[in-house]
Amino acid sequence: KAGVTQTPRYLIKTRGQQVTLSCSPISGHRSVSWYQQTPGQGLQFLFEYFSETQRNKGNFPGRFSGRQFSNSRSEMNVSTLELGDSALYLCASRSQNYGYTFGSGTRLTVV
Amino acid sequence: EDQVTQSPEALRLQEGESSSLNCSYTVSGLRGLFWYRQDPGKGPEFLFTLYSAGEEKEKERLKATLTKKESFLHITAPKPEDSATYLCAVEVYGNTGNQFYFGTGTSLTVIP
Repeated sequence: KAGVTQTPRYLIKTRGQQVTLSCSPISGHRSVSWYQQTPGQGLQFLFEYFSETQRNKGNFPGRFSGRQFSNSRSEMNVSTLELGDSALYLCASRSQNYGYTFGSGTRLTVV
Repeated sequence: EDQVTQSPEALRLQEGESSSLNCSYTVSGLRGLFWYRQDPGKGPEFLFTLYSAGEEKEKERLKATLTKKESFLHITAPKPEDSATYLCAVEVYGNTGNQFYFGTGTSLTVIP
């Protein structure tokens, strides 16, 4: 059974640019969540999608957005990148009554 | 304000030296508490979910317990391969949807 797949694994962007990250959940999982992980703040919840609808949202500015497609694949977009957006972005999918299964993440570096 | 605190931040154990990691939480409307293990450069790996006080779960050398205010991850006779960061997270009921809060983790090093 394939796990959660995130692409790309590494990304370097310039301040002010925008970026799109992709996540393919485990087959059959309809819930996809996104997290930002930094050494100082730890894991912070960005948003969760279920059946193409944003169900929950963390405390991040509007520059962070996402969407989910009918096949449950999800994308996350960050516009007007700032240096502080450099982080490991993790995607996770889950089935009911089970913990999240995380992907390996996308390491974003903003220069 | 909902909060999750893990202690200690870092722990060094000799191989075979048992110990416990703590996750204390202050939340309204706990749905579940999760433990994860994270290795460097990888995403967190799910270990346990606990839903009610008094519940216990075991997996190999790990045992997780839950009370109304905290959870413990007991590590019995650890091995070097148990070295990792252990994360605790809580799922909280919310009016606009459930929220998830992670602790900042305990970095465990097991010395051979």
